[in-house]
Amino acid sequence: GESVGLHLPTLSVQEGDNSIINCAYSNSASDYFIWYKQESGKGPQFIIDIRSNMDKRQGQRVTVLLNKTVKHLSLQIAATQPGDSAVYFCAENQGAAGNKLTFGGGTRVLVKP
Amino acid sequence: GAVVSQHPSWVICKSGTSVKIECRSLDFQATTMFWYRQFPKQSLMLMATSNEGSKATYEQGVEKDKFLINHASLTLSTLTVTSAHPEDSSFYICSARGGRTGFLGQFFGPGTRLTVL
Repeated sequence: GESVGLHLPTLSVQEGDNSIINCAYSNSASDYFIWYKQESGKGPQFIIDIRSNMDKRQGQRVTVLLNKTVKHLSLQIAATQPGDSAVYFCAENQGAAGNKLTFGGGTRVLVKP
Repeated sequence: GAVVSQHPSWVICKSGTSVKIECRSLDFQATTMFWYRQFPKQSLMLMATSNEGSKATYEQGVEKDKFLINHASLTLSTLTVTSAHPEDSSFYICSARGGRTGFLGQFFGPGTRLTVL
């Protein structure tokens, strides 16, 4: 079946640098995407979302880019902080399947002081 | 806003017993609630979708008689793991949709760590 996947399982970044987390998706019918952050032992926390009719959306220190041509999604974190250390998941909304979310495999971000 | 709670946060039980996990939307009415399980260092796997007042829809491979879901109100859904076995040990996470107009995403609870001895 179709799924959402990630290129990098672990990303180490120096505190203060920018982080880029990538995600590939295969369901061309997906109309909505979300990035979640999950800290150890906790539930996922919403970061930012983007609809398929957009290619960029910005939040506080985060930017999501959507490239529908190559089915690629990325999350950029500016000035990465120790508190950003977590696992990040992209999720793809399947509107035709009852608006269920399909999660990617996750990328662990480790922020080095 | 859009806070989802789960209870208990962790539970240890003996093999063969049943365990109930509660999921509540604290400050909004959830039109739909979802149950996921997550094994260590893995992603979230959807188990079932639950709408208030109707039967849950289970994903392929999930035993509905083993994982009983009840969605009695717009703020409460429960997952009961019946006759639990060690292989059911996992991190169970619920989520809820609603509370924000136009938001198709889900708000997640903090999760419940189940350990079956």
